[in-house]
Amino acid sequence: NAGVTQTPKFRILKIGQSMTLQCTQDMNHNYMYWYRQDPGMGLKLIYYSVGAGITDKGEVPNGYNVSRSTTEDFPLRLELAAPSQTSVYFCASSYPRDATGETQYFGPGTRLLVL
Amino acid sequence: QKEVEQNSGPLSVPEGAIASLNCTYSDRGSQSFFWYRQYSGKSPELIMSIYSNGDKEDGRFTAQLNKASQYVSLLIRDSQPSDSATYLCAVNMLRNSGGYQKVTFGTGTKLQVIP
Repeated sequence: NAGVTQTPKFRILKIGQSMTLQCTQDMNHNYMYWYRQDPGMGLKLIYYSVGAGITDKGEVPNGYNVSRSTTEDFPLRLELAAPSQTSVYFCASSYPRDATGETQYFGPGTRLLVL
Repeated sequence: QKEVEQNSGPLSVPEGAIASLNCTYSDRGSQSFFWYRQYSGKSPELIMSIYSNGDKEDGRFTAQLNKASQYVSLLIRDSQPSDSATYLCAVNMLRNSGGYQKVTFGTGTKLQVIP
């Protein structure tokens, strides 16, 4: 199993450009997540999905969009890049274990620089 | 008050010593608690999970949970330079019965093990 894969690893965008960060998992996990991590900070949840066709906002959704057409894929779209979106983006997935919570498996991350 | 709070550190310990990392949380309804390790420039990986009060041991790692005092800790015995990393505390906060259960991450504690 490859686990959670993300592309690209690094990208530089100009202000106002758009891009899609790709995330794929091969563990048949229901739940998928997008986080951003700013330097010295914790993980902030952007969007999450509990299954194909179902997505919802996290703590910091403004400026981003997601879709979940398949169990495996959960792309994150930036429509109008802004310097405030400079960050490292992590995709994660998990299989829910009811009330005991779930272990999240993280992809390697995408480092995004907006200039 | 932050939902999950950690001292950012750095916490410096000599090689072979015990490293003690602490985390407090605000939601008394929290049910699951996780410790993730994140090496610089890498993605988080789960090292311990704990669900009930008391201690849970796994090799050199021991997680301790006290729900009454709302804190969870991680002890690393015989600390090695390879343990130098940022340790993220994550707490499962039940939000929707039968639905998505939010996991909130702390900002992490940076551990430095000095040879």
